[in-house]
Amino acid sequence: DGGITQSPKYLFRKEGQNVTLSCEQNLNHDAMYWYRQDPGQGLRLIYYSQIVNDFQKGDIAEGYSVSREKKESFPLTVTSAQKNPTAFYLCASSLRQAHQPQHFGDGTRLSIL
Amino acid sequence: AQSVTQLDSQVPVFEEAPVELRCNYSSSVSVYLFWYVQYPNQGLQLLLKYLSGSTLVKGINGFEAEFNKSQTSFHLRKPSVHISDTAEYFCAVRPRDNYGQNFVFGPGTRLSVLP
Repeated sequence: DGGITQSPKYLFRKEGQNVTLSCEQNLNHDAMYWYRQDPGQGLRLIYYSQIVNDFQKGDIAEGYSVSREKKESFPLTVTSAQKNPTAFYLCASSLRQAHQPQHFGDGTRLSIL
Repeated sequence: AQSVTQLDSQVPVFEEAPVELRCNYSSSVSVYLFWYVQYPNQGLQLLLKYLSGSTLVKGINGFEAEFNKSQTSFHLRKPSVHISDTAEYFCAVRPRDNYGQNFVFGPGTRLSVLP
């Protein structure tokens, strides 16, 4: 079955350490997204990519970086510059037509040791 | 720009009772509308969407929603809830006319179904 795979499901980071969250999709979707979810705040867009080798900052990009070298993959790096990285991170993908919904992975929960 | 309001952050309801989760949006352009459900420690799943045509749309798990253009609302309803409906529900919009425009999500409503 097609879908989005996020790994790992749980991740722990030490202070000053960069970590990378994986997101892979086999839905042949052009667009991919990273969201951060904190309790009571809904989803906030970190980065998005409409095509390979191109991506744009979302609302809260500071302290994060991404790459889009392949259509299927959109990894997110949480850098040491992100001072409050503890959150639930969701990856999503969609076709580019506006009426197409987003499909989501099961998320990665990042915690600071 | 678009914005989505979900006025009720939490809705407790007894099992087998009806429920309505409210969603209002603001947009200067026409939008498509979506409802998603999120179970604990999982991603979001699409419940239903309004694209055009009949303003009453039916989705999975017995949910339905009604689009009201004059009130810019897209409320979600279920006539009889189950314990398994306990989850967080998100309303989202996406502009119709701009190719590749992003989704805008509401803050979510946590539905708790009580036995």
